[in-house]
Amino acid sequence: QSALTQPASVSGSPGQSITISCTGTSSDVGVYNSVSWYQQHPGKAPKLIIYDVSYRPSGVSNRFSGSKSGNTASLTISGLQAEDESDYYCSSYTSSNTLVFGGGTKLTVL
Amino acid sequence: EVQLLESGGGLVQPGGSLRLSCAASGISFGAYAMGWVRQAPGKGLEWVAAISISGDSGYFADSVQGRFTISRDNSKNTLYLQINGLRAGDTAVYYCAKVGASRYCNGDSCYFHFDYWGQGTLVTVSS
Repeated sequence: QSALTQPASVSGSPGQSITISCTGTSSDVGVYNSVSWYQQHPGKAPKLIIYDVSYRPSGVSNRFSGSKSGNTASLTISGLQAEDESDYYCSSYTSSNTLVFGGGTKLTVL
Repeated sequence: EVQLLESGGGLVQPGGSLRLSCAASGISFGAYAMGWVRQAPGKGLEWVAAISISGDSGYFADSVQGRFTISRDNSKNTLYLQINGLRAGDTAVYYCAKVGASRYCNGDSCYFHFDYWGQGTLVTVSS
């Protein structure tokens, strides 16, 4: 099972919006509404920020939103804040009964 | 407060074995599927394994199939990962994680995402 494809890095200025893409195939992202997104600060455990493509867990800022079109999912962060600087990973269930993660995207807040 | 506390990591020689444990508290452990995710130093997340709520079914990444075994003891609120035939490529922080409820999948063996994670335990494979 190949990893989902994410850009290695994205950047934005405080207050701006950024979008991170996550491209899979018709065997994972394209067929299941299972895309989730995780935020991971250095040395810390991942934190779930989006699940089931577009739902936020309780306590997660509404500045985070998720969507999906075909085989590509997206995470949008609006009103960028310094604390958003982190690594972000997408994940999807697959038709092989496995989970697959993206390679991760490093977000830099300029 | 949900807490997942991993233990059992350490330095092991190639070909060796380890048993990782994950003690859960603050949740009805027996009501959720669970899983393991690992992260090699400086690398991304890699799903390793998941286990059904009942413990009857285990699911594995191709990279560990046949070498890793996942199990749980619901009476002890504890998840396990037995790792055999360790290779240098297995060096990583191993995270225990609880499967979250999904709108699109329910049942004994659903594992669409992880809503709580432990802090991880480091496994180093080296001679």
